[in-house]
Amino acid sequence: GIQVEQSPPDLILQEGANSTLRCNFSDSVNNLQWFHQNPWGQLINLFYIPSGTKQNGRLSATTVATERYSLLYISSSQTTDSGVYFCAVSKTSYDKVIFGPGTSLSVIP
Amino acid sequence: NAGVTQTPKFQVLKTGQSMTLQCAQDMNHNSMYWYRQDPGMGLRLIYYSASEGTTDKGEVPNGYNVSRLNKREFSLRLESAAPSQTSVYFCASSERGRYNNEQFFGPGTRLTVL
Repeated sequence: GIQVEQSPPDLILQEGANSTLRCNFSDSVNNLQWFHQNPWGQLINLFYIPSGTKQNGRLSATTVATERYSLLYISSSQTTDSGVYFCAVSKTSYDKVIFGPGTSLSVIP
Repeated sequence: NAGVTQTPKFQVLKTGQSMTLQCAQDMNHNSMYWYRQDPGMGLRLIYYSASEGTTDKGEVPNGYNVSRLNKREFSLRLESAAPSQTSVYFCASSERGRYNNEQFFGPGTRLTVL
C-alpha cells in the first residue's frame, strides 16, 4: 500500500513566524487532504488538494502530484495554530485513505 | 447543520464488557467510516461503508463489528472489550465519487478499557 511520510515530526515556532510542512507519498494519488487536529482532539478539514495550489487566509497548500509530495504553508503563525497536522491520501477515491504520522506544531507567544 | 455527530464522548469499560458507538451524519453522504487513533499515531481505518447496505473491513477490523443502519447512521460495536481497544474512535463521512473522497470527521469518542 501507499506509504505516507510527514516532516518535520515536531516543530516549535515563535508567534508570527512562517512554516512549511511536507507530506511525501510513495505512489500516485488522486485524493489528498490536510487536517489540523487541535489540542482538544477535533479534526478540522484544511484543504482537499489532490493537485495544484489553494489558499485560505494565512494557510495555503500545494500538491505536486507528479513528484509525489504536498506542502502546507502557515504564515504569521498564531498560538491557535498549535496541534497536529495530518496529511491523508488515497490512490483513487475508491481506495482506503492512508494517514501520515503527523507534524506536531507548537506556537509559543 | 451538525455535520458528523458521535455518542458517547467518553466511555470507560471493564475487560469483557460490550458497547456500541453511535455515529450520524446530516450531509446526505453515501460513505461512512470508523477510525481509531492511538497516542502519537495517525488514524487507522477499522471498517467502512461505501453505501447504505454495504460494509467492508479496513486495516484493523479484529474485535469490532459494524452496522450501517440507514444512510445517516453507522454504528461500531465492541462485543468483548480488551485493553488493546483503549483508543480514540472517530467516525467520518464522505460523498465518495469517481474523483472525490473528501472526508469529514466527528468529534471522537475517547474509550478506556480497564
